[in-house]
Amino acid sequence: LAKTTQPISMDSYEGQEVNITCSHNNIATNDYITWYQQFPSQGPRFIIQGYKTKVTNEVASLFIPADRKSSTLSLPRVSLSDTAVYYCLVAYSGGGADGLTFGKGTHLIIQP
Amino acid sequence: DSGVTQTPKHLITATGQRVTLRCSPRSGDLSVYWYQQSLDQGLQFLIHYYNGEERAKGNILERFSAQQFPDLHSELNLSSLELGDSALYFCASSPGLLAGKYEQYFGPGTRLTVT
Repeated sequence: LAKTTQPISMDSYEGQEVNITCSHNNIATNDYITWYQQFPSQGPRFIIQGYKTKVTNEVASLFIPADRKSSTLSLPRVSLSDTAVYYCLVAYSGGGADGLTFGKGTHLIIQP
Repeated sequence: DSGVTQTPKHLITATGQRVTLRCSPRSGDLSVYWYQQSLDQGLQFLIHYYNGEERAKGNILERFSAQQFPDLHSELNLSSLELGDSALYFCASSPGLLAGKYEQYFGPGTRLTVT
């Protein structure tokens, strides 16, 4: 079983900011939080990773509260090409192979 | 292009048969992961190898086995195939041992169809 819970699907419009939240109540001290994006029939692609507080890169931001029991992926000004499945992964070293199961992710649909 | 290669891209075979899927990791990456993705199950972790040694097992059936060779390429062997084994099989690689700490680079996948 995955260690995370995400909404099954979300939709938004071009130009909007989209926030996808992932719950991971049983996160361990040494676990990292990583988000991946997957388009149909392609392998997942790394978006962003964090351990605590806030991380930002050129495509997204990741917000992690102090208790680390959830995290929020923020995609600024989305476009149609951001329509994809987004996975939240919480894992450390594979001790607990559960953490390496991506689950079903969040299907994000962006409309014009 | 992630730098991870998988062959074949497509594979159609009959029930009861055995197949081998091959993965070449990115240059320098020591970890290889195998995943199975079917429509109703999402992306399921199968097994993780690091520098030739098995490090973690997920929901991998006994009919499935894998190995990582000295040149770091990996093979996933699926035997006594059943219709339910039809899925996309992804290989991913990363530079380090710590699965959660290092970004995984995914290959394009092998689509297996069992008829």
